[in-house]
Amino acid sequence: GNSVTQMEGPVTLSEEAFLTINCTYTATGYPSLFWYVQYPGEGLQLLLKATKADDKGSNKGFEATYRKETTSFHLEKGSVQVSDSAVYFCALISNFGNEKLTFGTGTRLTIIP
Amino acid sequence: EPEVTQTPSHQVTQMGQEVILRCVPISNHLYFYWYRQILGQKVEFLVSFYNNEISEKSEIFDDQFSVERPDGSNFTLKIRSTKLEDSAMYFCASTPRGESGNTIYFGEGSWLTVV
Repeated sequence: GNSVTQMEGPVTLSEEAFLTINCTYTATGYPSLFWYVQYPGEGLQLLLKATKADDKGSNKGFEATYRKETTSFHLEKGSVQVSDSAVYFCALISNFGNEKLTFGTGTRLTIIP
Repeated sequence: EPEVTQTPSHQVTQMGQEVILRCVPISNHLYFYWYRQILGQKVEFLVSFYNNEISEKSEIFDDQFSVERPDGSNFTLKIRSTKLEDSAMYFCASTPRGESGNTIYFGEGSWLTVV
């Protein structure tokens, strides 16, 4: 079956630090990959996505590259801000059959000034 | 920008009571979902719905759960007899069509507390 493994949290960084949150996956076929973000007290928002190998998704300074050879989709940002404090979820949709998202466990990120 | 809306945002209910959570998906979307997130845990798939019927459901979605699209806009999740372990954030979601590259759009969630 499909699964997503995410870097264990919580992660605490200083403002302007470099961020990496690791994500690897197991899936049948060639899934589409997503990062969702959940800010405190809010719902899930799509941060970025990639639908095929070597695609790079980017948004709000965050980037992630779909690496088929390592089955990874690591999230990176060059310089984090306090407003980036949130829980980040890696997720996938398999391209076989159903359209349900399989989520990772989420990584709580706290940025301190 | 169109969005998925959910009501109520928070509901407290007594164990054994019926609860209905409501959702209005984005208007031109065809696939609808319910997910839940128990506090501090991962987001879990409950059920998907297409063409007025359930297309897939998880093990969590037992006989106590049901979904309905009573009219052209609403999509509801009913829990017949709530248990303490049903306390969670319930997310409604929708997507235009069943292609793996499509984004699934989530509502802000309905926080259910069973006491």
